[in-house]
Amino acid sequence: SSELTQDPAVSVALGQTVRITCQGDRLRNYYGSWYQQKPGQAPVLVIYGKNKRPSGIPDRFSGSSSGNTASLTITGAQAEDEAAYYCNSRDSGDNPHVVFGGGTKLTVL
Amino acid sequence: EVQLVESGGGLVQPGGSLRLSCAASGFTFSSYAMSWVRQAPGKGLEWVSTISGSSGGSTYYSDSVKGRFTISRDNSKNTLYLQMNSLRADDTAVYYCAKGFHAVLSGSFDYWGQGTLVTVSS
Repeated sequence: SSELTQDPAVSVALGQTVRITCQGDRLRNYYGSWYQQKPGQAPVLVIYGKNKRPSGIPDRFSGSSSGNTASLTITGAQAEDEAAYYCNSRDSGDNPHVVFGGGTKLTVL
Repeated sequence: EVQLVESGGGLVQPGGSLRLSCAASGFTFSSYAMSWVRQAPGKGLEWVSTISGSSGGSTYYSDSVKGRFTISRDNSKNTLYLQMNSLRADDTAVYYCAKGFHAVLSGSFDYWGQGTLVTVSS
């Protein structure tokens, strides 16, 4: 089981706003990152750090964090946003490692 | 333009070995931590291993591969490696090479390769 918990599936009407969440204790100490993955393609980073977007990522994607929960918000979802979204974060301690959430399949209706 | 190109995947029998390579270009390879992330068919992403930038003196592994896989890098060839030994059926996955933001372990990967498929089966 993943140490970061995501809802398996979420849907949103075209043009509406959707929030995808990721929960885990490590998020109290480290920012989560978010990746978009479309079928047959490699993941693409969409949000990292404190709500930072890599070059080329539309500004309808935004991130936030509160307590043990990181959120990815898509404001005005487009058909091309239909994809799986994964959060991840790192951990420290005696055995530094990285963990991914189980992923959320976003359907744009 | 940053490019990461994996190679070395294929079909291997349980208990066998395989070495994956990731050829990097478009950035100062030695300055960044590099990682391997895998995805079993129809499943989610799973972090496998990370090696720090510069001398690559620090390596990190997931519990599922520790003791069986070894990550390494050759900065003179801009290439990342993953030596996989004692392979099991549950190692079957697409293996992605991914670039970190810094020389040290972080949770963010800004560039990914297209992946190479490893199938462990008799």
